[in-house]
Amino acid sequence: EVQLVESGGGLVHPGGSLRLSCAASGFTFSNYEMNWVRQAPGKGLEWVAYISASATTLYNADSVKGRFTVSRDNAKNSLYLQMNSLRVDDTAVYYCARALSGFADSNYYYYVDVWGKGTTVIVSS
Amino acid sequence: QSVLTQPPSASGTPGQRVTISCSGSSSNIGSNFVYWYQQLPGTAPKLLIYRNNHRPSGVPDRFSGSKSGTSASLAIRGLRSEDEADYYCATWDDSLSGPVFGGGTKLTVL
Repeated sequence: EVQLVESGGGLVHPGGSLRLSCAASGFTFSNYEMNWVRQAPGKGLEWVAYISASATTLYNADSVKGRFTVSRDNAKNSLYLQMNSLRVDDTAVYYCARALSGFADSNYYYYVDVWGKGTTVIVSS
Repeated sequence: QSVLTQPPSASGTPGQRVTISCSGSSSNIGSNFVYWYQQLPGTAPKLLIYRNNHRPSGVPDRFSGSKSGTSASLAIRGLRSEDEADYYCATWDDSLSGPVFGGGTKLTVL
């Protein structure tokens, strides 16, 4: 069974740091692009970060650029999100998300097909 | 403010057909496939529709997706109480070079 399990969430003060982890199982982790997506309380989904299968390409949303760093260890089937200089508005459930990409009908596609259950980050003084 | 625009709420009675709209622009929906996710209360999102109108294995054929120009729609026919959830549209945005989501539509089954 394909599974993504996040951990590392918790309560942190503004300006603090936290490292989230995501353990993948049930598929060949090293073949897949991965993402972090977050959801603030009562709000919609917001893409946070992307990492390619070989970790050679990284992208961050503007809202976290310079503060969050995504990484992965394919030998350990794990995805990480290092979050520094945390702000109150970073409070959210953070989801680890597997992506599929390619071409169909000569058009590029990219989407999340599997989500973890999420880990909650609360930034508060 | 989400890049894709969805109505905040929708409702219907059991057995009815309901549609949820998603509006974007030429840099996102207009030039890319659209995806739909269902989020039941207190759970993670689940892929409902991929590449505009394809259903993953296990998703009932009561759910269907369509796209026209810079807009897309999710239709649910034969509405059931267990369909009560939040629904999100998503696509790739060429200008932002990343995936974007709609603000979500809360579906209530009356």
